[in-house]
Amino acid sequence: QLQLQESGPRLVKPSETLSLTCTVSPGFITSYYWTWIRQPPGKGLEWIGRGHYSGKTDFYPSLKSRVTMSVDISKNQISLKVRSVTAADTATYYCARELGYLDLWGQGMLVTVSS
Amino acid sequence: EIVLTQSPGTLSLSPGERATLSCRASETVTANYLAWYQQKPGQAPRLLIHTASRRATGIPDRFSGSGSGTDFTLTISRLEPEDFALYFCQQYDRSPFAFGGGTKVELK
Repeated sequence: QLQLQESGPRLVKPSETLSLTCTVSPGFITSYYWTWIRQPPGKGLEWIGRGHYSGKTDFYPSLKSRVTMSVDISKNQISLKVRSVTAADTATYYCARELGYLDLWGQGMLVTVSS
Repeated sequence: EIVLTQSPGTLSLSPGERATLSCRASETVTANYLAWYQQKPGQAPRLLIHTASRRATGIPDRFSGSGSGTDFTLTISRLEPEDFALYFCQQYDRSPFAFGGGTKVELK
């Protein structure tokens, strides 16, 4: 059964780079697009972007200049990097499998930006 | 960019009542590529409906989706205690696949 698990530092300093990894159950990573979503505390869902093992990526316009995403087949992992973070990047970050809609989600991980 | 507006922001209802949630798009969502998600406190969102009206696996039939073009609706026919939660719509017709702002269904 497919499972997703986010991991990475839970505290990041302002102006630094937030780096997260989503580990996917073996055998599934090349078959789908994978999406990152975030949710600031007490607020709604924000679509960050999507990526495929072929290298194709697609990001929300306002984040595009600060975000990179990659798929590592050998490790069954999808990575997300957000550069030059501020307090506004504090959120729970989710990865999800995309079939157009998002049918499977990780449990999410709260990342706080603070000095 | 397609902007989704959900209304109302909060819906106060009692168990057994019918809930009607609206999601309006700023442009036509082609092929009804519109999904609904439920989120409970401390949990990840869960897919309820895709392609505007198709229930996801394991979703009870009291949840139904309808609509096309720019106007979509999620209906919960009879609210169960576990249905009090946040609900989001999302379009996946054109990137960015943004979400609506959400509707909270709360206990009256």
